[in-house]
Amino acid sequence: DQQVKQNSPSLSVQEGRISILNCDYTNSMFDYFLWYKKYPAEGPTFLISISSIKDKNEDGRFTVFLNKSAKHLSLHIVPSQPGDSAVYFCAPPAGSARQLTFGSGTQLTVLP
Amino acid sequence: NAGVTQTPKFRVLKTGQSMTLLCAQDMNHEYMYWYRQDPGMGLRLIHYSVGEGTTAKGEVPDGYNVSRLKKQNFLLGLESAAPSQTSVYFCASSWDYYEQYFGPGTRLTVT
Repeated sequence: DQQVKQNSPSLSVQEGRISILNCDYTNSMFDYFLWYKKYPAEGPTFLISISSIKDKNEDGRFTVFLNKSAKHLSLHIVPSQPGDSAVYFCAPPAGSARQLTFGSGTQLTVLP
Repeated sequence: NAGVTQTPKFRVLKTGQSMTLLCAQDMNHEYMYWYRQDPGMGLRLIHYSVGEGTTAKGEVPDGYNVSRLKKQNFLLGLESAAPSQTSVYFCASSWDYYEQYFGPGTRLTVT
Protein backbone atom coordinates (compact mmCIF):
# COMPACT_ATOMS: atom_id res chain seq x y z
CA ASP A 1 0.00 0.00 0.00
CA GLN A 2 1.79 3.09 -1.27
CA GLN A 3 1.23 5.99 1.06
CA VAL A 4 3.08 8.43 -1.19
CA LYS A 5 2.63 8.44 -4.95
CA GLN A 6 4.45 10.35 -7.62
CA ASN A 7 2.56 9.33 -10.72
CA SER A 8 4.82 10.96 -13.28
CA PRO A 9 8.06 8.99 -13.61
CA SER A 10 9.55 11.64 -15.86
CA LEU A 11 9.11 15.24 -16.94
CA SER A 12 10.92 17.28 -19.58
CA VAL A 13 10.82 21.09 -19.74
CA GLN A 14 12.65 23.79 -21.60
CA GLU A 15 15.18 25.91 -19.78
CA GLY A 16 13.54 29.04 -18.37
CA ARG A 17 10.07 27.51 -18.21
CA ILE A 18 8.24 26.29 -15.14
CA SER A 19 8.58 22.71 -13.88
CA ILE A 20 5.71 21.29 -11.84
CA LEU A 21 6.22 18.04 -9.98
CA ASN A 22 3.31 16.38 -8.22
CA CYS A 23 2.91 14.16 -5.18
CA ASP A 24 -0.21 12.52 -3.74
CA TYR A 25 -0.51 10.91 -0.34
CA THR A 26 -3.06 8.79 1.46
CA ASN A 27 -2.07 9.10 5.11
CA SER A 28 -3.89 12.06 6.68
CA MET A 29 -1.54 11.82 9.69
CA PHE A 30 1.38 13.25 7.71
CA ASP A 31 2.03 16.68 9.18
CA TYR A 32 5.19 17.65 7.36
CA PHE A 33 6.48 17.11 3.86
CA LEU A 34 9.99 17.24 2.46
CA TRP A 35 11.27 17.31 -1.09
CA TYR A 36 14.60 15.74 -1.87
CA LYS A 37 16.67 16.06 -5.01
CA LYS A 38 18.95 13.27 -6.20
CA TYR A 39 21.67 13.32 -8.81
CA PRO A 40 23.03 10.05 -10.25
CA ALA A 41 25.58 8.28 -8.03
CA GLU A 42 24.88 10.65 -5.14
CA GLY A 43 22.69 10.53 -2.07
CA PRO A 44 19.49 12.56 -1.90
CA THR A 45 19.81 16.14 -0.68
CA PHE A 46 17.14 18.15 1.05
CA LEU A 47 15.49 20.78 -1.13
CA ILE A 48 12.45 22.32 0.55
CA SER A 49 9.79 21.45 3.09
CA ILE A 50 6.30 22.44 4.14
CA SER A 51 4.33 22.03 7.32
CA SER A 52 0.72 20.90 7.14
CA ILE A 53 -0.35 24.15 8.79
CA LYS A 54 0.75 26.03 5.69
CA ASP A 55 -0.40 25.86 2.09
CA LYS A 56 2.69 27.36 0.49
CA ASN A 57 6.40 27.62 1.15
CA GLU A 58 8.82 29.45 -1.09
CA ASP A 59 12.60 29.35 -1.29
CA GLY A 60 14.13 31.17 -4.20
CA ARG A 61 13.15 29.45 -7.43
CA PHE A 62 11.40 26.65 -5.55
CA THR A 63 7.85 26.76 -4.20
CA VAL A 64 5.89 23.93 -2.68
CA PHE A 65 2.10 24.00 -2.50
CA LEU A 66 0.03 21.82 -0.20
CA ASN A 67 -3.66 21.01 -0.70
CA LYS A 68 -4.64 19.05 2.38
CA SER A 69 -8.21 18.41 1.33
CA ALA A 70 -6.97 16.78 -1.87
CA LYS A 71 -3.94 15.20 -0.15
CA HIS A 72 -1.77 16.66 -2.88
CA LEU A 73 1.51 18.55 -3.05
CA SER A 74 3.24 20.17 -5.96
CA LEU A 75 6.77 21.49 -6.34
CA HIS A 76 7.20 24.41 -8.72
CA ILE A 77 10.59 25.35 -10.09
CA VAL A 78 10.77 28.61 -11.98
CA PRO A 79 12.73 29.36 -13.99
CA SER A 80 14.00 25.85 -14.61
CA GLN A 81 17.73 25.44 -15.24
CA PRO A 82 19.69 22.53 -16.75
CA GLY A 83 21.32 21.97 -13.35
CA ASP A 84 17.88 21.16 -11.96
CA SER A 85 17.88 17.91 -13.96
CA ALA A 86 17.65 15.25 -11.27
CA VAL A 87 15.21 12.87 -9.62
CA TYR A 88 12.86 14.57 -7.17
CA PHE A 89 11.33 12.68 -4.26
CA CYS A 90 8.43 13.64 -2.08
CA ALA A 91 9.10 12.26 1.43
CA PRO A 92 6.92 12.92 4.46
CA PRO A 93 8.36 11.85 7.83
CA ALA A 94 6.29 9.60 10.07
CA GLY A 95 6.67 7.09 12.85
CA SER A 96 8.48 7.18 16.17
CA ALA A 97 11.79 8.21 14.60
CA ARG A 98 10.25 10.36 11.90
CA GLN A 99 11.56 8.01 9.28
CA LEU A 100 10.92 9.14 5.71
CA THR A 101 8.35 7.54 3.43
CA PHE A 102 9.55 8.10 -0.11
CA GLY A 103 7.55 8.36 -3.28
CA SER A 104 8.96 6.63 -6.35
CA GLY A 105 10.39 9.87 -7.67
CA THR A 106 10.10 11.99 -10.81
CA GLN A 107 13.02 12.36 -13.19
CA LEU A 108 13.15 15.99 -14.29
CA THR A 109 15.09 16.84 -17.42
CA VAL A 110 15.59 20.51 -18.23
CA LEU A 111 16.51 20.98 -21.87
CA PRO A 112 18.85 23.83 -22.80
CA ASN B 1 33.22 18.25 8.33
CA ALA B 2 32.68 15.20 6.10
CA GLY B 3 28.95 14.80 6.84
CA VAL B 4 27.79 11.24 6.23
CA THR B 5 30.27 8.79 4.74
CA GLN B 6 29.71 5.21 3.60
CA THR B 7 32.20 2.39 3.14
CA PRO B 8 32.58 0.73 0.67
CA LYS B 9 31.25 2.53 -2.39
CA PHE B 10 30.93 -0.63 -4.47
CA ARG B 11 30.88 -4.32 -3.67
CA VAL B 12 30.19 -7.56 -5.50
CA LEU B 13 29.24 -10.60 -3.43
CA LYS B 14 28.43 -14.16 -4.25
CA THR B 15 25.22 -15.68 -2.95
CA GLY B 16 25.69 -16.79 0.64
CA GLN B 17 28.61 -14.49 1.45
CA SER B 18 28.42 -11.98 4.25
CA MET B 19 29.50 -8.38 4.52
CA THR B 20 29.14 -5.26 6.62
CA LEU B 21 28.43 -1.76 5.35
CA LEU B 22 29.74 1.06 7.49
CA CYS B 23 28.09 4.43 7.90
CA ALA B 24 29.79 7.24 9.80
CA GLN B 25 28.58 10.75 10.59
CA ASP B 26 30.45 13.61 12.23
CA MET B 27 27.47 15.86 12.97
CA ASN B 28 26.66 14.40 16.40
CA HIS B 29 23.25 13.29 15.14
CA GLU B 30 21.11 11.06 17.32
CA TYR B 31 19.07 9.44 14.57
CA MET B 32 20.55 7.21 11.90
CA TYR B 33 18.87 5.23 9.12
CA TRP B 34 19.61 2.63 6.46
CA TYR B 35 17.61 2.69 3.21
CA ARG B 36 17.78 0.71 0.02
CA GLN B 37 16.84 1.94 -3.42
CA ASP B 38 15.85 -0.35 -6.26
CA PRO B 39 15.33 0.72 -9.88
CA GLY B 40 12.16 2.74 -10.42
CA MET B 41 11.41 2.89 -6.73
CA GLY B 42 11.86 5.31 -3.92
CA LEU B 43 14.08 4.62 -0.96
CA ARG B 44 12.76 2.07 1.52
CA LEU B 45 13.74 1.98 5.17
CA ILE B 46 15.61 -1.14 6.33
CA HIS B 47 16.52 -0.33 9.93
CA TYR B 48 16.98 2.77 12.01
CA SER B 49 18.41 3.93 15.33
CA VAL B 50 17.25 6.69 17.66
CA GLY B 51 20.47 6.74 19.66
CA GLU B 52 23.62 4.88 20.62
CA GLY B 53 22.86 1.29 21.52
CA THR B 54 19.36 1.30 20.00
CA THR B 55 18.07 -0.18 16.76
CA ALA B 56 14.64 -0.82 15.27
CA LYS B 57 13.18 -2.46 12.19
CA GLY B 58 11.95 -0.49 9.24
CA GLU B 59 9.84 -1.44 6.25
CA VAL B 60 12.13 -4.11 4.73
CA PRO B 61 14.36 -5.54 7.52
CA ASP B 62 14.49 -9.22 6.51
CA GLY B 63 18.00 -10.49 5.75
CA TYR B 64 19.73 -7.56 7.44
CA ASN B 65 21.08 -6.82 10.88
CA VAL B 66 22.37 -3.56 12.32
CA SER B 67 24.38 -2.27 15.24
CA ARG B 68 24.95 1.17 16.74
CA LEU B 69 27.72 0.69 19.29
CA LYS B 70 28.99 4.23 18.87
CA LYS B 71 26.88 7.31 18.27
CA GLN B 72 28.72 8.23 15.10
CA ASN B 73 28.60 4.80 13.44
CA PHE B 74 25.76 2.67 12.13
CA LEU B 75 26.62 -0.73 10.66
CA LEU B 76 24.46 -2.75 8.29
CA GLY B 77 25.19 -6.45 8.01
CA LEU B 78 24.18 -9.07 5.49
CA GLU B 79 24.74 -12.52 6.98
CA SER B 80 23.97 -14.56 3.86
CA ALA B 81 23.63 -12.42 0.77
CA ALA B 82 20.92 -13.15 -1.79
CA PRO B 83 20.46 -11.76 -5.34
CA SER B 84 17.34 -9.94 -4.09
CA GLN B 85 19.64 -7.79 -1.98
CA THR B 86 21.28 -6.32 -5.06
CA SER B 87 20.54 -2.64 -4.58
CA VAL B 88 21.96 0.75 -3.74
CA TYR B 89 22.16 1.32 0.00
CA PHE B 90 21.96 4.76 1.56
CA CYS B 91 22.68 5.76 5.09
CA ALA B 92 21.22 8.92 6.59
CA SER B 93 21.37 10.79 9.86
CA SER B 94 19.42 13.58 11.49
CA TRP B 95 19.37 15.57 14.73
CA ASP B 96 15.71 16.39 14.70
CA TYR B 97 12.53 14.92 13.45
CA TYR B 98 12.76 16.34 10.00
CA GLU B 99 15.65 16.85 7.62
CA GLN B 100 17.89 13.86 7.05
CA TYR B 101 21.39 14.02 5.63
CA PHE B 102 22.34 11.22 3.27
CA GLY B 103 25.59 9.53 2.42
CA PRO B 104 26.70 8.91 -1.18
CA GLY B 105 25.47 5.31 -1.26
CA THR B 106 26.94 1.82 -1.62
CA ARG B 107 26.19 -0.11 -4.78
CA LEU B 108 25.94 -3.81 -3.95
CA THR B 109 25.64 -6.59 -6.49
CA VAL B 110 24.95 -10.16 -5.39
CA THR B 111 25.57 -12.81 -8.05
